[in-house]
Amino acid sequence: KAGVTQTPRYLIKTRGQQVTLSCSPISGHRSVSWYQQTPGQGLQFLFEYFSETQRNKGNFPGRFSGRQFSNSRSEMNVSTLELGDSALYLCASSLMSGENEQYFGPGTRLTVT
Amino acid sequence: GENVEQHPSTLSVQEGDSAVIKCTYSDSASNYFPWYKQELGKRPQLIIDIRSNVGEKKDQRIAVTLNKTAKHFSLHITETQPEDSAVYFCAARTRGGFKTIFGAGTRLFVKA
Repeated sequence: KAGVTQTPRYLIKTRGQQVTLSCSPISGHRSVSWYQQTPGQGLQFLFEYFSETQRNKGNFPGRFSGRQFSNSRSEMNVSTLELGDSALYLCASSLMSGENEQYFGPGTRLTVT
Repeated sequence: GENVEQHPSTLSVQEGDSAVIKCTYSDSASNYFPWYKQELGKRPQLIIDIRSNVGEKKDQRIAVTLNKTAKHFSLHITETQPEDSAVYFCAARTRGGFKTIFGAGTRLFVKA
């Protein structure tokens, strides 16, 4: 079974631009979570989607948004990019929500210049 | 809000020694506690997890203990090997909460 995939793997953007990242979960998994990883802040929860609905959101500004499609694929969007948005963005999928194990994708490395 | 504290931030041990990483969570409704290992440049990998109805779980050289009363859980690695060197993250999840909170991570160095 293929693992979680994320595209693109690397991205360089300029301040003020917007970006869309994509995550394809493991086949059959219906829950997708997004995390921002930076050296100083560890793994910060962005949001979680289940059955095309955002179920929870972390403490990030409204510039960060996401969605989930009927095939469970998910996208996250960051508008008006700031230098501080430079980070590794990881998504993780699980079969259901609640207790189930989460499996991470390889991440998208975003650099904002 | 929910919080998971993880200690120590850095741990250096000699090959063959044991390593212990401790975490404390704030949300008493948390009931699932996974541990992830992240090697440099790679994605986090689940190495062991424990649910709130269990006090201890072991998988070969790795064990996790949970004290729900104190809201503490710990990772124990015995007979450490150089390939155990990585960053380890603890996390806590609330059933139906649709949110996993991670600790800040522990960088483990195993010296040969």
